Amino acid sequence: QQQVKQSPQSLIVQKGGISIINCAYENTAFDYFPWYQQFPGKGPALLIAIRPDVSEKKEGRFTISFNKSAKQFSLHIMDSQPGDSATYFCAANTNAGKSTFGDGTTLTVKP
Amino acid sequence: NAGVTQTPKFRVLKTGQSMTLLCAQDMNHEYMYWYRQDPGMGLRLIHYSVGEGTTAKGEVPDGYNVSRLKKQNFLLGLESAAPSQTSVYFCASSYSGTGFNSPLHFGNGTRLTVT
Repeated sequence: QQQVKQSPQSLIVQKGGISIINCAYENTAFDYFPWYQQFPGKGPALLIAIRPDVSEKKEGRFTISFNKSAKQFSLHIMDSQPGDSATYFCAANTNAGKSTFGDGTTLTVKP
Repeated sequence: NAGVTQTPKFRVLKTGQSMTLLCAQDMNHEYMYWYRQDPGMGLRLIHYSVGEGTTAKGEVPDGYNVSRLKKQNFLLGLESAAPSQTSVYFCASSYSGTGFNSPLHFGNGTRLTVT
């Protein structure tokens, strides 16, 4: 049973455009929702995270939108740049010490 | 500050051979994790540890063993490698679980091929 569903699997965006990646979860015990960014040959690194008591969090060009009733959250990358080309993973955590990851989205930003 | 260091970076094994992957962290983190990453399947948890001397099974533990004899080190062992274990393995650590303000810190991975 996949607890976190991520879409799309891949995404191509023109430079300056908006990239949107969506995730949906099932377990209402999740209480922390981070996004990780992974470049080729490297491990994932925390990009931005949100708690379920807020509906939006913005850090620079990156914004998480969170809809608790729908059990969905999304990552928006404004003014996408070629340097943003990477694989993005959403995750859902419980305080018990484990993260459940989505399958990842490969983003390509064309110059 | 090295963070999370994994050795080796690459390894090729023949079916039935054994090996140990080493993970070391210098951040004094309590929790450590081993994940495998396969194309289109995200990161799947193999085993994890909530402190020195403890280990627990994750989502896909079969065929792997782990040990956490020292707080800074977490070892992943394959006793009899199988082609299905061809993957990229990531070690991660966190200060205390996976709650807010305790993100995972990942190493750069070990690419393992089993022929």
